[in-house]
Amino acid sequence: AQSVAQPEDQVNVAEGNPLTVKCTYSVSGNPYLFWYVQYPNRGLQFLLKYITGDNLVKGSYGFEAEFNKSQTSFHLKKPSALVSDSALYFCAVRDMGPGSSNTGKLIFGQGTTLQVKP
Amino acid sequence: DVKVTQSSRYLVKRTGEKVFLECVQDMDHENMFWYRQDPGLGLRLIYFSYDVKMKEKGDIPEGYSVSREKKERFSLILESASTNQTSMYLCASSSRLAGVETQYFGPGTRLLVL
Repeated sequence: AQSVAQPEDQVNVAEGNPLTVKCTYSVSGNPYLFWYVQYPNRGLQFLLKYITGDNLVKGSYGFEAEFNKSQTSFHLKKPSALVSDSALYFCAVRDMGPGSSNTGKLIFGQGTTLQVKP
Repeated sequence: DVKVTQSSRYLVKRTGEKVFLECVQDMDHENMFWYRQDPGLGLRLIYFSYDVKMKEKGDIPEGYSVSREKKERFSLILESASTNQTSMYLCASSSRLAGVETQYFGPGTRLLVL
């Protein structure tokens, strides 16, 4: 079965330190992977995606993510965290199951709350 | 920029009422989605639509129905609201023509059923 796992419910980091939010996936075939961010009482905002090519993907607000096929991971990273990065982060993978090719369905992880302290 | 709007940010309804949540996107996207978001459960897909008048059940369709009469508008209907449908509802849209279907989300509707 296809799935996405975010093993940490919460990540705490001090402002200025590097941050990592973890994501692992399980899909058949080549994965299309996404990261979204949600600020309080708001919808999800797209951060970045991996389709093919360079394993390091750069996105909005200084975030980047590293695709690792052997470890089936797509961890979100930022070299220097800001207090304003505190939010809920979701990893997602395109549904590649039977009948899903034209639907654009995504499978989401359960989310990781990032807390950046001054 | 893609814009997805939802008819209400906050909604309070009584048990048994019929509830309509509206979603409109302005980018001519083929695909539209309705999710509900609950703490600890992430996003769960209720229904989606890949074309006008087409709809498919998602993971948790029970107690909900949808309508897509126009390409830009996707409505979620709670036929008889119940307290366990209190949740945050998120609408999203995506384009197949763009290659890989990045979903763009509306601001959400927080529904409270009393």
